[in-house]
Amino acid sequence: DQQVKQNSPSLSVQEGRISILNCDYTNSMFDYFLWYKKYPAEGPTFLISISSIKDKNEDGRFTVFLNKSAKHLSLHIVPSQPGDSAVYFCAAKETSGSRLTFGEGTQLTVNP
Amino acid sequence: GAVVSQHPSWVICKSGTSVKIECRSLDFQATTMFWYRQFPKQSLMLMATSNEGSKATYEQGVEKDKFLINHASLTLSTLTVTSAHPEDSSFYICSARWTSSYEQYFGPGTRLTVT
Repeated sequence: DQQVKQNSPSLSVQEGRISILNCDYTNSMFDYFLWYKKYPAEGPTFLISISSIKDKNEDGRFTVFLNKSAKHLSLHIVPSQPGDSAVYFCAAKETSGSRLTFGEGTQLTVNP
Repeated sequence: GAVVSQHPSWVICKSGTSVKIECRSLDFQATTMFWYRQFPKQSLMLMATSNEGSKATYEQGVEKDKFLINHASLTLSTLTVTSAHPEDSSFYICSARWTSSYEQYFGPGTRLTVT
């Protein structure tokens, strides 16, 4: 049972444009959401997070939006840069505990 | 800040031998450490959660006698793959968090190949 789903395995955008990565979840007990970026053969790097009491969090070029009623979150990267090309994972934490549940990842490719 | 290291970065071992992987938090005290496994083109699968000074909590389907986890200090956790077999070949990644943080900070990973 995949509780966190990233339905797009890949996304390709042009440099300077917006990248939108999507994530859906099914578990109503998730109260904290995170996005990680991962290069091949490296560990994930934390990007940005959002609490379930908020609907938006912004950090530089990265903005995460949360729609609780739809159980959907998205990561916006503006403007996209070639160095952003990586696999992006969304993750969610339940109210109780500290373990994270990860989505399958989306490969973002930003073309110069 | 929030740097996590892993050692070794890659290891090749013969079937039947044991391999130890170290995970260290370099600039913070990690009250909780996590061990993940990632197969090619797949997501990160949590293997176990360990709190400093306590026994690790293993996820369903993970053999605790095969994957020995020790979290003896606030900066070090080790994963020992005992009697390794080729099917244990994978990318193992640790992460760490401190008490008041929800974010986990990941190490660079260890590529294990069992021949």
